[in-house]
Amino acid sequence: EAQVTQNPRYLITVTGKKLTVTCSQNMNHEYMSWYRQDPGLGLRQIYYSMNVEVTDKGDVPEGYKVSRKEKRNFPLILESPSPNQTSLYFCASSFGGGSQETQYFGPGTRLLVL
Amino acid sequence: QKEVEQDPGPLSVPEGAIVSLNCTYSNSAFQYFMWYRQYSRKGPELLMYTYSSGNKEDGRFTAQVDKSSKYISLFIRDSQPSDSATYLCAMSGNQFYFGTGTSLTVIP
Repeated sequence: EAQVTQNPRYLITVTGKKLTVTCSQNMNHEYMSWYRQDPGLGLRQIYYSMNVEVTDKGDVPEGYKVSRKEKRNFPLILESPSPNQTSLYFCASSFGGGSQETQYFGPGTRLLVL
Repeated sequence: QKEVEQDPGPLSVPEGAIVSLNCTYSNSAFQYFMWYRQYSRKGPELLMYTYSSGNKEDGRFTAQVDKSSKYISLFIRDSQPSDSATYLCAMSGNQFYFGTGTSLTVIP
């Protein structure tokens, strides 16, 4: 089954404790992206990657890191999480880097930073 | 000013009603316009996609784009309880920008 998977689905952590949210897709997509979704603010792009070893900042990259060492994986790293990073996070992927491509979203990771 | 503005609702309609969802945008460089549907506790899924001004129909759904007014709409005919979800408009040039979403409930 073609899909985007994220782990963990739910995470509670404390301020400053480094964490990684994994994202994997099995569709051989080149383009992958991370979003956060907050009430009243909608989906905002954090980082995106056009291909392996190519990453770019989205609208809200502060406090986040990403890496793209393999085509199928695009982990999101919070080196020192803070409470304002409490949010619902989505990973997405698409065939090409062109913005006309359909993005497929993962199921989401709900993060609470205390 | 936000790139994309969308009325958050919530919107509640009886089954069978015609639903109209709308977004406005400020960036004339946007070329691609999309509507996503998001059920509770799920990721967004693409519903409709248009490139140019005009209408695009898919079953009970019609997407409309008016680039001169920077206004896009999604119409749902004969709405069903299974259409109850949050609808997100999205548009792109070099990046994707999403509206905040409109929560729709269709009452049986």
